[in-house]
This record gives sequence, C-alpha cells and structure tokens, in this order.
Amino acid sequence: KQEVTQIPAALSVPEGENLVLNCSFTDSAIYNLQWFRQDPGKGLTSLLLIQSSQREQTSGRLNASLDKSSGRSTLYIAASQPGDSATYLCAVRKGNTPLVFGKGTRLSVIA
Amino acid sequence: AAGVIQSPRHLIKEKRETATLKCYPIPRHDTVYWYQQGPGQDPQFLISFYEKMQSDKGSIPDRFSAQQFSDYHSELNMSSLELGDSALYFCASSFSAGADTQYFGPGTRLTVL
Repeated sequence: KQEVTQIPAALSVPEGENLVLNCSFTDSAIYNLQWFRQDPGKGLTSLLLIQSSQREQTSGRLNASLDKSSGRSTLYIAASQPGDSATYLCAVRKGNTPLVFGKGTRLSVIA
Repeated sequence: AAGVIQSPRHLIKEKRETATLKCYPIPRHDTVYWYQQGPGQDPQFLISFYEKMQSDKGSIPDRFSAQQFSDYHSELNMSSLELGDSALYFCASSFSAGADTQYFGPGTRLTVL
C-alpha cells in the first residue's frame, strides 16, 4: 500500500527565506506527483504536477523536483512571503488510480 | 477559466439524516473523484467515476453511494449520518483519468450534529 510522508509537519520561517518541503513515498512506481496548497478550511489548489518521466517543474517562485527511484520529491519556495502561509500537501498517483496524500506541512511565514 | 463546482458549500444535518452532495466537473472532464477530509486529516479517497461508470472505490462506507450522470456531474448520497461523517468533502475532476492534473472543487463542509 502506498504511503506518503511529509517532513516537517510544521515550519515557521521569517519572510524572505528560501525553504524546502519534503515528500517521500514508499512505492516508486508512480504515475505522477502533485503538490497542493490548502488554506485553513478551504479547498485544494494544485501548484505543480510532475509526471513520472520528469525531474522537475517550475511555476513562479515554486520549484518541485522528483527523484522517482528514491521515492522523494521536494518543493522549493523562493523568497517566502506571508501570503505563502498555508498547508502544503503532496500526493502521488499510481497508474489510473486516485491520489494518495501525505499529511501535509503547515507553513507559517512571519513578516 | 471554469472550475469544479460543488454544492452546497456548507451543510448541517442531524444524526441519522440523509445528505446529498453535488459536483459539477470542469467542462469536457469525464472523470470525477470524491475525497473526504476529516478535521486535521489528509484527504482520503472515497470513489471515482469515468464516463459514468464507477472506476475505483476507496474507503467509502456502505451508507454512502454515488453516481455520475449523463452530463458528467456527480452526486454523493450519504444516509444514516453519523457524527464522524463531519468533514470536508472534495470533488475533483480530470480528463480521461490519465496523466492529467486533478482539479479540486472548493469542497462541501458537512457538519453532523
């Protein structure tokens, strides 16, 4: 059974710092990996999708990498801002199956 | 751009009552997924449909049922509600259940009293 782990569970950084969120998964035979942002009590916003054949994806200040063989992905956030404060969820998909989520990293960016 | 629409956004029910949640996927998306997110939990997959047929089933209680209609919208029917059913229910849609991104709706917050 696929298990997704996210470290750290919570992170607090001063504004302007670059930071890295980690995601690991037990079954490397994934189809794709998706990073989401969730604000408290709100829906899931898709940030980046990495196909299994890709190594990284970039969107603005966000960069996600994927090392499928080692079962790891990182989300790099450059020049963090208070508006980046949210929970970041990593989810993987194996074949034509639903997403399996990690428990998320709760990020606080302090002004 | 059109997004996934869910209704209602908030729902309050008593124990043992019935609830129906609706999901309208992004136009031309043919696959719908339902997820349940309990307080402080990660989303858990319930059930999915592709081209109006059930394609996968997760941890969906027998008290729940769902279907996808000819216009691709989906409904999640929940009966004999329990306190533990209180959660955020998300619907996501994608195109052809393949490598495409799953786009999530804003969710329906169900509170069972």
